[in-house]
Amino acid sequence: AQTVTQSQPEMSVQEAETVTLSCTYDTSESDYYLFWYKQPPSRQMILVIRQEAYKQQNATENRFSVNFQKAAKSFSLKISDSQLGDAAMYFCAYRSTTTGANSKLTFGKGITLSVRP
Amino acid sequence: KAGVTQTPRYLIKTRGQQVTLSCSPISGHRSVSWYQQTPGQGLQFLFEYFSETQRNKGNFPGRFSGRQFSNSRSEMNVSTLELGDSALYLCASSFGQVENEQFFGPGTRLTVL
Repeated sequence: AQTVTQSQPEMSVQEAETVTLSCTYDTSESDYYLFWYKQPPSRQMILVIRQEAYKQQNATENRFSVNFQKAAKSFSLKISDSQLGDAAMYFCAYRSTTTGANSKLTFGKGITLSVRP
Repeated sequence: KAGVTQTPRYLIKTRGQQVTLSCSPISGHRSVSWYQQTPGQGLQFLFEYFSETQRNKGNFPGRFSGRQFSNSRSEMNVSTLELGDSALYLCASSFGQVENEQFFGPGTRLTVL
């Protein structure tokens, strides 16, 4: 079974600065998807960024980018130019590509990010 | 395009009762997945329905069940409620293929007294 670990429960960043959120995972599969989701206090989960394991290039979405290290099973999220609206809980998630199991997202425990003005 | 909607948003029940939660997916989406979110256990997958069939199931007791209708709307039912069932229940919809993004609803907050 796959597991996702987010070891930092909380982090804080100054507005306009850069912050990196860490995530490690364990799997025996070679092809899979990794995601970062954001859950603001309103609780609606939003996809921030996703990475397909077979792609070596790190995904980027505006101020958000990932550092995907497949051999190390590490998937960190970098938020540049942090904004007050980035304050939320962030979840790292894994999704298999195996038929019959690919609908399930396995989440880490999440990290609460606060942004200081 | 309307997002995923869940009803009710808040619910208070007592132990032993049963509850039904509803999820309406984004138009055109055929897959609905359910997750339970608690402070202690985090987000855990309950089950997924695709075209009215349960396609995947998590490790929850049989008290947790679901179904999907022909219009893709889904319901989940929890019978004989326990205090530990207090949680935020999220549903997510997608077109159903592995490469498709899952879109989450706002959740139903269930409190069991």
